[in-house]
Amino acid sequence: NAGVTQTPKFRVLKTGQSMTLLCAQDMNHEYMYWYRQDPGMGLRLIHYSVGEGTTAKGEVPDGYNVSRLKKQNFLLGLESAAPSQTSVYFCASSYSGAEDTQYFGPGTRLTVL
Amino acid sequence: RKEVEQDPGPFNVPEGATVAFNCTYSNSASQSFFWYRQDCRKEPKLLMSVYSSGNEDGRFTAQLNRASQYISLLIRDSKLSDSATYLCVVNMLGNTPLVFGKGTRLSVIA
Repeated sequence: NAGVTQTPKFRVLKTGQSMTLLCAQDMNHEYMYWYRQDPGMGLRLIHYSVGEGTTAKGEVPDGYNVSRLKKQNFLLGLESAAPSQTSVYFCASSYSGAEDTQYFGPGTRLTVL
Repeated sequence: RKEVEQDPGPFNVPEGATVAFNCTYSNSASQSFFWYRQDCRKEPKLLMSVYSSGNEDGRFTAQLNRASQYISLLIRDSKLSDSATYLCVVNMLGNTPLVFGKGTRLSVIA
């Protein structure tokens, strides 16, 4: 099992450009999450999904959109990137809900110039 | 009061030392508690869950104090490989997503 994978690993964007981050898991997990991690801020939840076809907002959803068309994939989109979105993005999945262990992907380092 | 609070550290300790971290949480109805470990430039990984009765895994002991709303992590006989950031994680209410603390950085020095 690959666990949770994220693509790309690194990306540099210019302000205003768009991109999609892909998260894939092969553990048949229902729940998937997108976080961003910034120095001194810890992990902050952007959006999450409790199952295929569902999405919900987290703590910092503005400027991001997500889709969960297939159970194994969770996409994070930036429609018009801003320098404030420079961060490390982590995807995670869990079998069920909040009491279950979250498994994280290796992260995507995004820089917006 | 912030939802989950941790002392950011860093805690610099010599090899073989015992070190303890505390984490406070705001919601008295919280049900689930965890410690995750994050190495530099890596993803977080579950270290251990925290049960009401406390639990131990080798050199690591986790405790929950519901009355004072904090959890603790004790590391005995520290190893160089224990150097990492330790994240306190709490399920605030029902099936809402977990809330992560900002982490406590530990450096074990030879």
